[in-house]
Amino acid sequence: AQSVTQPDIHITVSEGASLELRCNYSYGATPYLFWYVQSPGQGLQLLLKYFSGDTLVQGIKGFEAEFKRSQSSFNLRKPSVHWSDAAEYFCAVGASGAGSYQLTFGKGTKLSVIP
Amino acid sequence: DAGVIQSPRHEVTEMGQEVTLRCKPISGHNSLFWYRQTMMRGLELLIYFNNNVPIDDSGMPEDRFSAKMPNASFSTLKIQPSEPRDSAVYFCASRGRYQETQYFGPGTRLLVL
Repeated sequence: AQSVTQPDIHITVSEGASLELRCNYSYGATPYLFWYVQSPGQGLQLLLKYFSGDTLVQGIKGFEAEFKRSQSSFNLRKPSVHWSDAAEYFCAVGASGAGSYQLTFGKGTKLSVIP
Repeated sequence: DAGVIQSPRHEVTEMGQEVTLRCKPISGHNSLFWYRQTMMRGLELLIYFNNNVPIDDSGMPEDRFSAKMPNASFSTLKIQPSEPRDSAVYFCASRGRYQETQYFGPGTRLLVL
């Protein structure tokens, strides 16, 4: 069974500082990996995804994530955080292969940004 | 382009009442998912439809919950009778054919008193 761990429940950073949100997954084969962001009272918006190929993927809003198979990690990064990035971030893992549909989500990391 | 549309956005009801949540997936998408989000359990998949057919309903909590997809552009999630522990945010998501990414609606925030 697949699983996702986001070790940090809540992170606070200053505006302009760099950011790294951690995500570790468990899955037997090469997974499909996603980061979603949820602003207060809103749905989940896709930030970026990894299926195969280049292990460093670029997403929207200046975010990037790096897939590290040896560490079973898919950490999300941003070089300079803006106040509007305050939200909750979810990492998700999906099974690869035809017919697969399950997405398993982590519990989320809430990001607060200090002006 | 219109995303996934859910209604109502907020619902407050009393225990024992019937609640119906509605979802319109992205046009052309053939997979639809209903999720529930709570503080305690996070995001849980309730049911998955493919081509309007329920494929996996193992996440539906109990018989009080039912879901239908009468056509490719509409789905409902019904709770009857509702209980306070059903209070949560319910999300609908859709996915295109041969795609891996699920696109989420804004959610329905349900409060059962």
